[in-house]
Amino acid sequence: DTGVSQDPRHKITKRGQNVTFRCDPISEHNRLYWYRQTLGQGPEFLTYFQNEAQLEKSRLLSDRFSAERPKGSFSTLEIQRTEQGDSAMYLCASSPPWAGDGYTFGSGTRLTVV
Amino acid sequence: DQQVKQNSPSLSVQEGRISILNCDYTNSMFDYFLWYKKYPAEGPTFLISISSIKDKNEDGRFTVFLNKSAKHLSLHIVPSQPGDSAVYFCAASVGGGSQGNLIFGKGTKLSVKP
Repeated sequence: DTGVSQDPRHKITKRGQNVTFRCDPISEHNRLYWYRQTLGQGPEFLTYFQNEAQLEKSRLLSDRFSAERPKGSFSTLEIQRTEQGDSAMYLCASSPPWAGDGYTFGSGTRLTVV
Repeated sequence: DQQVKQNSPSLSVQEGRISILNCDYTNSMFDYFLWYKKYPAEGPTFLISISSIKDKNEDGRFTVFLNKSAKHLSLHIVPSQPGDSAVYFCAASVGGGSQGNLIFGKGTKLSVKP
């Protein structure tokens, strides 16, 4: 297993367009997380799944954002009607049920909204 | 309101000397703390963690100290090496590591000079 994979690595989009990111977690990890990181800040929690169930969503996740994890494997994060403030690094991570020794993060998808 | 604070944006240390990175938190409910290291264009990688029932945890050159009364933790790197140059994030969670939501600080950029 090569770790957590995110696609694409970079995305440039025009304001108002929709974008979708994909995350493939480590296969034996049943938890999957999405975080967002802007310049000069630490990662901010967006949402997480245990298997296919979305267990928690941050208030940062506006109604323009939707995440899915069909069949409890890969996950997608969609942003509708993108705004310039959505420009950030979107990080995916996965973990076994006990996340105590840390998640494994992917390398992220950098979104630039122009 | 930032619950996890890393008040030093940067730190410069000579190779071979000790690096001390500090982190303060405000939420008394936090009971698990982690340090992550991040290189440019990569996701954060887990370094070391500590439960609130301990006050010290060591792993090779890395030691984390927890002072619950002061709501303060620190990461010591001895001896520091040029390869340690990265951004270090402190993170905290509620639920002893079993919960999904990590709260991160803004990070401290460590530069280790040869």
